[in-house]
Amino acid sequence: DVVMTQTPVSMSVSLGGQVSISCRSSQSLVHNNGNTYLSWYIQKPSQSPQLLIYKVSNRFSGISDRFSGSGSGTDFTLKISRVEPDDLGVYYCGQGTQYPLTFGSGTKLEIK
Amino acid sequence: QVQLKETGPGLVQPTQTLSITCTVSGFSLTSYYMQWVRQTPGKGLEWMGFIRSGGSTEYNSEFKSRLSISRDTSKNQVFLKMNSLKTEDTGVYYCASNKDFDYWGQGVMVTVSS
Repeated sequence: DVVMTQTPVSMSVSLGGQVSISCRSSQSLVHNNGNTYLSWYIQKPSQSPQLLIYKVSNRFSGISDRFSGSGSGTDFTLKISRVEPDDLGVYYCGQGTQYPLTFGSGTKLEIK
Repeated sequence: QVQLKETGPGLVQPTQTLSITCTVSGFSLTSYYMQWVRQTPGKGLEWMGFIRSGGSTEYNSEFKSRLSISRDTSKNQVFLKMNSLKTEDTGVYYCASNKDFDYWGQGVMVTVSS
């Protein structure tokens, strides 16, 4: 199985600040078709996960441009700029390239 | 507007079978994959399996021997059935749409206990 490792486990940021979350996969996420199926999700307190970014860098419908994804192969990053109160929650990366699909363990974002 | 809603029992006894229904609106099951994911204290988010728009299925081998996913397109419903439940299966079960898990239901909490 592809293991997804997220760092840090938790972080605290001031409102208006910027954060970066890292996600590393144990194997390359480049699919045979050339696409890289790496997604980012946020799970706000007491809510279901929500899709933020798909295929490394594509923002899902309605997602602010304060969220950006980058990376390739096995190393990926989610950046959040101008952090707002509503950004608090747990962020997960997930891969859709190899079965079984797998998720990282999450990065908890707290607002200072 | 896309909506997904899971319904199922809150409590299941060990060794029994779990049945959860996901009712969707705003899109057709014949156009999208439908995923099942669970979230447990021990393992976090775990992909369980999906049913493709054409009706074929793919399962996580972790569950394959005891998991079944099916659907009724006329009722816009997707079904999860898992047998031989253990206490470790306690968690929140979600359905989600599409390969990228675009939309998620609110989840149903399942407790496996006697």
